[in-house]
Amino acid sequence: KAGVTQTPRYLIKTRGQQVTLSCSPISGHRSVSWYQQTPGQGLQFLFEYFSETQRNKGNFPGRFSGRQFSNSRSEMNVSTLELGDSALYLCASSWGMNTEAFFGQGTRLTVV
Amino acid sequence: GESVGLHLPTLSVQEGDNSIINCAYSNSASDYFIWYKQESGKGPQFIIDIRSNMDKRQGQRVTVLLNKTVKHLSLQIAATQPGDSAVYFCAEMMGGGSQGNLIFGKGTKLSVKP
Repeated sequence: KAGVTQTPRYLIKTRGQQVTLSCSPISGHRSVSWYQQTPGQGLQFLFEYFSETQRNKGNFPGRFSGRQFSNSRSEMNVSTLELGDSALYLCASSWGMNTEAFFGQGTRLTVV
Repeated sequence: GESVGLHLPTLSVQEGDNSIINCAYSNSASDYFIWYKQESGKGPQFIIDIRSNMDKRQGQRVTVLLNKTVKHLSLQIAATQPGDSAVYFCAEMMGGGSQGNLIFGKGTKLSVKP
């Protein structure tokens, strides 16, 4: 059974640009969550989707958005990139509520 | 706001010894806890979980203890091996919440000396 797949693994963008990251959950999992990981702030929750609906949202500006498709695949988008957006973006999938969450390898975003 | 915190940011142990990683949580509404292991360049790897109706749960070489009275969580690793070297995170989830309510601690770096 394939794990959580995130693409791309690495990305370099310029300030002001926008970026789209992709996440394919484990087959059968309907919940997908996104986290930002930085050395200073640790792992911070961005948002969660379940059956194409955003169920929860963390404390991030509106430049961060996401969506989930009917096949449970999810994308997150960051517009007007800032240097501080440089981070490892992690996607996690789970079957449902309060169940084991499995993470992908992450996308390392560097904003220059 | 309430958060999950770790007592020790770094832990160094000798190969073969047992390791204990501690975590304090402050949200009394949390009823589901997970330990993750993260190796350099990789995403967090699920190790073990425990629900608030339990005090102890054992896995392969790992044991998680939950003390709800003092809001303390610990991960015990038996016979620590070099491959256990990583950063360990505890995470809590509030009752009735979805996976999006997962709140992570800052992490403890475990170094295993051969």
